[in-house]
Amino acid sequence: GENVEQHPSTLSVQEGDSAVIKCTYSDSASNYFPWYKQELGKRPQLIIDIRSNVGEKKDQRIAVTLNKTAKHFSLHITETQPEDSAVYFCAANAGGTSYGKLTFGQGTILTVHP
Amino acid sequence: SQTIHQWPATLVQPVGSPLSLECTVEGTSNPNLYWYRQAAGRGLQLLFYSVGIGQISSEVPQNLSASRPQDRQFILSSKKLLLSDSGFYLCAWSRSGQAVAQYFGPGTRLTVT
Repeated sequence: GENVEQHPSTLSVQEGDSAVIKCTYSDSASNYFPWYKQELGKRPQLIIDIRSNVGEKKDQRIAVTLNKTAKHFSLHITETQPEDSAVYFCAANAGGTSYGKLTFGQGTILTVHP
Repeated sequence: SQTIHQWPATLVQPVGSPLSLECTVEGTSNPNLYWYRQAAGRGLQLLFYSVGIGQISSEVPQNLSASRPQDRQFILSSKKLLLSDSGFYLCAWSRSGQAVAQYFGPGTRLTVT
């Protein structure tokens, strides 16, 4: 089955700096890669996703890049703000299934210091 | 727009007691439904998924079960809770298909004492 590895497990940055979180996946048939943000005690919320037919996608201060050959994808947050502090999860779908099963990384705790 | 509900929001149950958590989705038809468990605020473990009424698939063997009695209703149950069942239980829905986003409900925080 799919295996998703996420790094780093914790990330601490100063407000205004950039933050990068990286994930690798094992299933070459995976074609959908979402990112979720989870604040303490709350539900994970989808913040951006990318499909395998594109290499990069941007939404204001966040962007995701995908390298299908190397089987890795990354989340980039620019001009970080304290409210970006949360746990971030990457995920990859199981390309060989008929439903949207996602395998999640273990999460990255991002702390943005004012 | 679509909305997903879960209840109860929090639950404290003794070991050996039964469990029933409910999830409902509004604003969509024939969704795929999922139950996840999250322990210690990290990692999402898929427990069950359903692509239609009465169709349940289990991802992890355990003392939990799931049912889908109606199109937009998903229930997680246990006959006898274990201490290890404590955690944050999240229901999610997606449209049918393979490369689709999942949207999570607000979750139920279960503490087994």
